Formats: sequence, structure tokens, C-alpha cells
Amino acid sequence: KQEVTQIPAALSVPEGENLVLNCSFTDSAIYNLQWFRQDPGKGLTSLLLIQSSQREQTSGRLNASLDKSSGRSTLYIAASQPGDSATYLCAGGSGTYKYIFGTGTRLKVLA
Amino acid sequence: EAQVTQNPRYLITVTGKKLTVTCSQNMNHEYMSWYRQDPGLGLRQIYYSMNVEVTDKGDVPEGYKVSRKEKRNFPLILESPSPNQTSLYFCASSLSRTGHQPQHFGDGTRLSIL
Repeated sequence: KQEVTQIPAALSVPEGENLVLNCSFTDSAIYNLQWFRQDPGKGLTSLLLIQSSQREQTSGRLNASLDKSSGRSTLYIAASQPGDSATYLCAGGSGTYKYIFGTGTRLKVLA
Repeated sequence: EAQVTQNPRYLITVTGKKLTVTCSQNMNHEYMSWYRQDPGLGLRQIYYSMNVEVTDKGDVPEGYKVSRKEKRNFPLILESPSPNQTSLYFCASSLSRTGHQPQHFGDGTRLSIL
């Protein structure tokens, strides 16, 4: 059964730092890996989607990579800003159209 | 505006009183799904639907029912709610069931079962 783990659970950094959030999964047969942002009291906003055939995706200051052989995905945030403060979630899609979410990394960027 | 709309946003009810949480999307998406989010457990998939009249169980389907009679709507039904179903619920949709398109989420429904 697919399990998705995100480490660390919480992270606090000063503004301007580059940072990496980690997502590990146990079943390499995922067909996509999606990163989301969740603000308090809100739904999830899709940030990046990586297909199983891709190695990375980029959007603005965000870059997500996928390494199926090692069971890892990383979300790189360049030049972090206070507005980036949120909980970041990753989710792996399995072959039966199910999605397994990690428990998230709570990020705080200090001004 | 493209969106996934859930109603109600908040509900407090009592054990055993049947309730329905509606979910509607205006993007002509094939795939729809329900999740619950609990502290320390993250989001867990309850049910999903790959198209009209096609539904399947996620990881935590016990105590829930769904239907997909129209493409845009995917209601979540709690026939006999219990306190352990107190949670934050999210509906999501995706253009394609193949996973080539991202999921879009509603704003959530906070259910309290007393």
C-alpha cells in the first residue's frame, strides 16, 4: 500500500532563503505526483503536477522534482517570502486512480 | 469563474441524522473525489468517480455513500452520521481521470457530529 511521508513537519526560515521540502513515497508505481499549498481555513491550491514520465516541473520560484527509483519528490522554493507561509502537501496518484497524501510541511517565512 | 463549490461550508448536527454534502464543478471535469482531513492523519480519500455512474472506494469509505448521476455533481451522503465522522471534508475534481491534469479543490466543509 502506498504511503507518503513529508519531512520536516514544520519549518521556519528567514525571508529570502532558498528552501527544499521533501516528499517520500513507498510505491514507485505512481503515475503522478502533485504538490499543493493549503492556507489556514482554505482548500488546497495546486502548485505543480509531475507525470511519472517527467523529472521536474517549474512555475515561477517553484521547482518540483520526481525520482521514482528512490521514491522521492522535492519542492524547491527560491527566495522565500512571507506570503509563502502555508502548509505544503504532496500527493501521489496510483494506478487505480487513488491519491495518497502526505501529512504536510507547515512553512513559516519570517519577515 | 472555474470552481468547485461545496455546500454547506459548516454544519453541526447530531448522531444518526442523515445529511448530504453537495459538490458541484463547472469545468466539465471527468474525475471527482471526496477527502477528509484530520489532524495528524492528513487527507484521506473517501470515494472517487471516474465519470458519470462510475464510482469507487478510496481508503476510508465506511459510513459514506456517493452518487454521480450528472457530470457536474458528486454529493457525499452520510446515512447515519457518527461522532468519528467529525472532520473537514474536501471535494476535488480533475479534467482527466488519467492523472495528466491537476486536481482542483473546493473550500471545504467542516462537519461536527454530536
